[in-house]
Amino acid sequence: QLVLTQSPSASASLGASVKLTCTLSSGHSSYAIAWHQQQPEKGPRYLMKLNSDGSHNKGDGIPDRFSGSISGAERYLTISSLQSEDEADYYCQTWGTGIQVFGGGTKLTVL
Amino acid sequence: EVQLVESGGGLEQPGRSLRLSCAASGFSFSSYEMNWVRQAPGKGLEWVSYISSSGSSLYYADSVKGRFTISRDNAKNSLYLQMNSLRGEDTAVYYCARTAYGSSWYYFDYWGQGTLVTVSS
Repeated sequence: QLVLTQSPSASASLGASVKLTCTLSSGHSSYAIAWHQQQPEKGPRYLMKLNSDGSHNKGDGIPDRFSGSISGAERYLTISSLQSEDEADYYCQTWGTGIQVFGGGTKLTVL
Repeated sequence: EVQLVESGGGLEQPGRSLRLSCAASGFSFSSYEMNWVRQAPGKGLEWVSYISSSGSSLYYADSVKGRFTISRDNAKNSLYLQMNSLRGEDTAVYYCARTAYGSSWYYFDYWGQGTLVTVSS
């Protein structure tokens, strides 16, 4: 079964960096994923597609502070030089024929 | 600029029906697959339904299969979700989302701002 697992919460200080993790279920470690940001009271916003080779394709206007990487079945979103507006929920997404799957989301707090 | 604007949400009683709309602009709507995604209060994102660019291929999450119907009108650049036999667990913000170009099943590259559906007596 295709499942994405995310830690429920993370925190980091203003100006620091944070690395969020999304883990693919067993047998699905070659899947690409996408990262989405959801600021409070807003709709989600596409950040990037993270391919199985580690390359990524960012959405329009996404700053260089946002980057992606992979290790095995883990997919990462790194946000550097944290700003107050980065405080949001972050969701990973993957897909297959007939199915779309989201991780449970990580709530990022900027201290 | 790509824009997706949902409407049609509101308060409805269990067992009743509601029809959501999503008005698309800023892109060639007829060339893209589209989806509905929902988010219950305080919860994460749940994919609800998919429709191919021509409207000929439809998919649903098990939680709504047989009760919800997705459709589109490419001449009007609009996406719809007919929601029948509503239940309390259908209470959520409903988003329309565009599938990125390149594959029928792919990531979502644009989202609307959502419309709230509340099912309660």
